[in-house]
Amino acid sequence: GAGVSQSPRYKVAKRGQDVALRCDPISGHVSLFWYQQALGQGPEFLTYFQNEAQLDKSGLPSDRFFAERPEGSVSTLKIQRTQQEDSAVYLCASSLAPALDGQYFGPGTRLTVT
Amino acid sequence: QKEVEQNSGPLSVPEGAIASLNCTYSDRVSQSFFWYRQYSGKSPELIMSIYSNGDKEDGRFTAQLNKASQYVSLLIRDSQPSDSATYLCAVRGSTLGRLYFGRGTQLTVWP
Repeated sequence: GAGVSQSPRYKVAKRGQDVALRCDPISGHVSLFWYQQALGQGPEFLTYFQNEAQLDKSGLPSDRFFAERPEGSVSTLKIQRTQQEDSAVYLCASSLAPALDGQYFGPGTRLTVT
Repeated sequence: QKEVEQNSGPLSVPEGAIASLNCTYSDRVSQSFFWYRQYSGKSPELIMSIYSNGDKEDGRFTAQLNKASQYVSLLIRDSQPSDSATYLCAVRGSTLGRLYFGRGTQLTVWP
C-alpha cells in the first residue's frame, strides 16, 4: 500500500512569506506527527494528532507555527512570516496505534527561506 | 529535558563485519525503543522496534535493550555497503506519542 506522502517536496520562500506543507498519512493510521530535522541532527518533535484532535503541540517553536487535521486524515503545517531559522526538512509520520507502534515517515518537505 | 545520546561516529567497518551502534537515554520510564535508518537526502526508515529487555533479531539486525542501564544497541551482522547510512535511535517516553531522537551515528561499510 501507499506510504506517507508529503507535498511539496521542496519549497523556497522569501523571508516573511507564509507557507503550507501537506501530509497524507497511511490509510487507517489514526496518529500523525510532525517533526523538524536540521542538517546533521535527529528529527525534533513539533506536534501530534490523534484523529482530528491535536493532543500535543508542545514542540511548535513559536506561534507562527500552526497545524491542523480537520477530518482526521490529511494534515497541514502552516508557517507564517517565515524566518531564515525555519529552513529545515519538515517530516510527517503516521502510526496505527500511538502507544506501541513505530512511526512511518514520509519523504519530507525541504523548506529554504531566503 | 529528555535526552537520547548516540556515539556520534562516524563508524567505519569492512564488508562482512559486525557493526555495533549504541544509544543511551535519560528518561527512566521510557517504554518503546526504535532504530531508524536514514540514507543521505532521504527520510528515516523504521528498521527495528524493541519493547522489553533482551535481544530481538530480524534478519541481519539484532536490537538489544537493557532498561536498568538505560541502554539500547543495534548490531548489524555481515555488514554490506548498502548498510552505509545514518542510524537514528528513537525513544518513546512517558509522554504518549512523541519520539525523542538521538543525533544519529553515521555508518560506512567499505568493500
